[in-house]
Amino acid sequence: AQSVSQHNHHVILSEAASLELGCNYSYGGTVNLFWYVQYPGQHLQLLLKYFSGDPLVKGIKGFEAEFIKSKFSFNLRKPSVQWSDTAEYFCAVLSGSARQLTFGSGTQLTVLP
Amino acid sequence: SAVISQKPSRDICQRGTSLTIQCQVDSQVTMMFWYRQQPGQSLTLIATANQGSEATYESGFVIDKFPISRPNLTFSTLTVSNMSPEDSSIYLCSTNGAGRSYNEQFFGPGTRLTVL
Repeated sequence: AQSVSQHNHHVILSEAASLELGCNYSYGGTVNLFWYVQYPGQHLQLLLKYFSGDPLVKGIKGFEAEFIKSKFSFNLRKPSVQWSDTAEYFCAVLSGSARQLTFGSGTQLTVLP
Repeated sequence: SAVISQKPSRDICQRGTSLTIQCQVDSQVTMMFWYRQQPGQSLTLIATANQGSEATYESGFVIDKFPISRPNLTFSTLTVSNMSPEDSSIYLCSTNGAGRSYNEQFFGPGTRLTVL
């Protein structure tokens, strides 16, 4: 079965700091990779996704992620965070024919003003 | 994309009762999914509901506890039966998109359930 690991449970940064959140998955076949964000009191929103092609994908709000197949990783990055980026971030993998997502445990990001 | 609504948005229930959560999608979709997000936890898939067939449950979830209906291509319900405080969670409905969005999943706003 697919598993997804997010190494950082809680990250605290000051505004303008750079961000990198780790995500590793276990499945060795073809995967679709996602990062979702959940702002306080709001529902899940898609930040970015990788299906194929350029392994560096850009999403909304200045976020990007790099797919490294050899490392089974899909780390999320942002060069300069803002207070409004405070949220929980989930990495998710879609694999197999069942079309179901497997989520990582989530990373709570707190950005201090 | 798919726009998903859920009812109720939140509820507080007594132990031993049941609650049915409704999920409505603004377009016809093949697959609908039900997830649970326990306090401070990630999302866990409960079951996949396809129209015209029995729902497929993940390990640790059973039909008697979480019966699901899928009467048509735009609607599904999840019932949380004989509730206990451990069932206090956010329950989310999702679906895959259509066409070029088929590999994406879209989520409803969730139903926040508190069991006393």
